[in-house]
Amino acid sequence: DIQMTQSPSSLSASVGDRVTITCQASQDISKYLNWYQHKTGRAPKLLIFDASNLETGVPSRFSGGGSGTLFTLTISSLQAEDIATYYCQQHDRLPLTFGGGTKVEI
Amino acid sequence: QVQLQQSGPGLVKPSGTLSLTCGVSGESVRSSNWWGWVRQPPGKGLQWIGEVHHSDSPNYNPSLKSRVTISIDMSRNQVSLRLSSVTAADTAVYYCARGWTYSGSYSDAFDIWGQGAVVTVSS
Repeated sequence: DIQMTQSPSSLSASVGDRVTITCQASQDISKYLNWYQHKTGRAPKLLIFDASNLETGVPSRFSGGGSGTLFTLTISSLQAEDIATYYCQQHDRLPLTFGGGTKVEI
Repeated sequence: QVQLQQSGPGLVKPSGTLSLTCGVSGESVRSSNWWGWVRQPPGKGLQWIGEVHHSDSPNYNPSLKSRVTISIDMSRNQVSLRLSSVTAADTAVYYCARGWTYSGSYSDAFDIWGQGAVVTVSS
């Protein structure tokens, strides 16, 4: 299985801050990396697919980058509604695997 | 607008079988998409369970494969999950999700999710 490692596991930032989350794959997954936002008590929401493609309706302050084994999710200006846990997920090969999550607090 | 509505018991006895249903509205389960299940144990991250397609063999997580059956009911436009021989470790919030695909072989992203179902394994 491809292991996905996220860092940090949690972070605290202020409204307006630039926030970056990192996801590392245990092997080369090319661009096949998605990012999800998961708010407590709600279903996960797809933010970015294939490393850098913003899902329809997702605010432009979210962006993704990277390829191969190292990827990033950036929130350019953190908003209060961005409080959530963020997960990366690889779809290069089965089984599909998620990172351990990064909890973002304000 | 595609919506997924989950249903099923919230409490299952140890060694029993967990059964959940995901009703799909706004899209036929005969579409090109996969229909998957993901779970989140308390205090832990997300785990892919498996997925089904109307014209392909299901894909399962090897760690659960011996106990999992995911099926598709085209007449009712719904997808079902069965997990047998459950233990406390199977206690989790279970989500069904639409697996959008361009590769065809499996989900490339889960873009629409059900509301989640809390399932507790306890006697």
